[in-house]
Amino acid sequence: GEEVAQTPKHLVRGEGQKAKLYCAPIKGHSYVFWYQQVLKNEFKFLISFQNENVFDETGMPKERFSAKCLPNSPCSLEIQATKLEDSAVYFCASSQWRTGAYEQYFGPGTRLTVT
Amino acid sequence: AQKVTQAQTEISVVEKEDVTLDCVYETRDTTYYLFWYKQPPSGELVFLIRRNSFDEQNEISGRYSWNFQKSTSSFNFTITASQVVDSAVYFCALSEVQSDSNYQLIWGAGTKLIIKP
Repeated sequence: GEEVAQTPKHLVRGEGQKAKLYCAPIKGHSYVFWYQQVLKNEFKFLISFQNENVFDETGMPKERFSAKCLPNSPCSLEIQATKLEDSAVYFCASSQWRTGAYEQYFGPGTRLTVT
Repeated sequence: AQKVTQAQTEISVVEKEDVTLDCVYETRDTTYYLFWYKQPPSGELVFLIRRNSFDEQNEISGRYSWNFQKSTSSFNFTITASQVVDSAVYFCALSEVQSDSNYQLIWGAGTKLIIKP
């Protein structure tokens, strides 16, 4: 598609439950980025992929967060055993090869609320 | 280390006033990109502008203008004759090319702009 699609739009989970978010990048884009925006507007980079390979995972809290981008499937970000502090909007962005530095297209975000 | 600072947490002006949002960045790269995004209350991110480090020309797009000054590491955004629809949170961001930042966007904390009718 011509837009980055993210599902679901909203997700509510009780503390300790699992949450899984999905991102379909723009067709032909080989880079996918995940960012977390917490309630005070602060953005944090989580992880990026180049096709199905992890490109940069320096922002990932590895204990409970995992992510995948498999061929012919939406990319996913999974949080095991959610905590209250995971409440945030999760944005996915995609870009073409080698333009990742200057042209990232953002999806509408998934709002995760952990209660 | 790379960093983007938006010192103004919130700005409130009356409609039709001009307003400038400040952005100061830090980077050791000589090649980088700077961005401004708008986030209206609906939550989506709206891309406004991208600037590369070799292009210091100021840019004007309708009521919006951007002043890029490498000497002061600033990339300020001015809205002329503000309108209520301009009310949003505005983010400045940096992307480095040469370092090992691997294209991730480095974000400022955002400035909440309130335009009163």
